[in-house]
Order: sequence, then C-alpha cells, then structure tokens
Amino acid sequence: AQSVTQPDIHITVSEGASLELRCNYSYGATPYLFWYVQSPGQGLQLLLKYFSGDTLVQGIKGFEAEFKRSQSSFNLRKPSVHWSDAAEYFCAVGARNNDMRFGAGTRLTVKP
Amino acid sequence: SQTIHQWPATLVQPVGSPLSLECTVEGTSNPNLYWYRQAAGRGLQLLFYSVGIGQISSEVPQNLSASRPQDRQFILSSKKLLLSDSGFYLCAWSVPPGGGTQYFGPGTRLTVL
Repeated sequence: AQSVTQPDIHITVSEGASLELRCNYSYGATPYLFWYVQSPGQGLQLLLKYFSGDTLVQGIKGFEAEFKRSQSSFNLRKPSVHWSDAAEYFCAVGARNNDMRFGAGTRLTVKP
Repeated sequence: SQTIHQWPATLVQPVGSPLSLECTVEGTSNPNLYWYRQAAGRGLQLLFYSVGIGQISSEVPQNLSASRPQDRQFILSSKKLLLSDSGFYLCAWSVPPGGGTQYFGPGTRLTVL
C-alpha cells in the first residue's frame, strides 16, 4: 500500500518569502499525487494534482509542485507567501483502484 | 456542479449518547464516499469508505459504524460515544474506481464531554 511522509510538522516563513513544503511518498507504481490545504475549522481544498505528463504542476493560489520520480518526492512551492496562506497543508498519494493516503500535514505560519 | 454537504456543523454530546452525522452529495451519481476523522493537531484517519449503496468498508475497528442508505447519502453513527470520539469529521467523495481526487465537505466538529 502507498504511504506519504511530510517531514516538517511546522514551518514559519515571512510574508513575501518563498516557500517549499516537502512530501515523500512510497508506492511501487506511478502514483497519483495531491496537495490539499485546510484552514482552521474548514474542510480540505484541493490545491493541485499530478496524474501523468508534465512533472511540474500548477495549482490554485499561485502554488506549484514538482514530481521527482527519482526522489519519490512531490514538493509544494510558492515564490512569495501571503499572510492568507497560513494554514495546514496535506500531501496525499493515490492509485487507480486504491484509495488515498494522506500525510500528517505541515502547519504553515506566516510572519508579518 | 457537484457539492457536498455535512450536518450538523458542530455537535456537543455527552459520553454514552448516540451519534448520527450525515453527508450528502449533489450533482454526481454513484460516487465513492469516505468518512475521515481528524483529531486535534493530527492528520486524517480514514474511518470508512463506500463504493455503492449498502457497501461499507471499515478501516479502523472502533465503536463507530457507517451506512449508505441512498446513492448519495453517507451516515456515520455510534450507539454510545466515548471521549476519544471527539474530533473533526470530514466526509469526501470521489469518482470511481478510486485513487483519484477526493472532494471534501465542510466537516463536523464533535465534542464529547
């Protein structure tokens, strides 16, 4: 079965700084990869997903992620963080006929 | 377009009381449906998923149960709540056969006192 590791429990960045959230997955075949964002007390919103094709994926709110098969990674990036980006971010891995597994999440704090 | 609803939004229940949380999906047919629990400061724990009416798979043994009486309705229940059942409950749906994007509802905050 697939699994996901998000090594960073909590990250703090200054507003306007760049951001990279790490995600490593374990799966024997080509995975489906996702990033979700959760604001406090809310459900999860899909930021972006990778199924196949171009390994650099663009998402909503200015986020992007790059699939690196050799490193089993799918890191999320944003060139300039806004205060409204403060939230919990979840990486997930799925596969056809198999359901998703989520990482433990990374909490992002944005300093003014 | 598809929408997913959960109610109630918040719930405070005494230990030992019953529970019923409801999730409904609109704008799609025969979805896969999921119940997750998120304890404070924790990730998502998959509790149940369903690929069709009356078909429920349990991921974690506990005092909760799930039912799918209609195609787009998913219910999470308990006969007697425990303190450890407190958490944020999320319902989600996806297009079969699974593994693809899951779309989440707004969640229910359950506090057991």
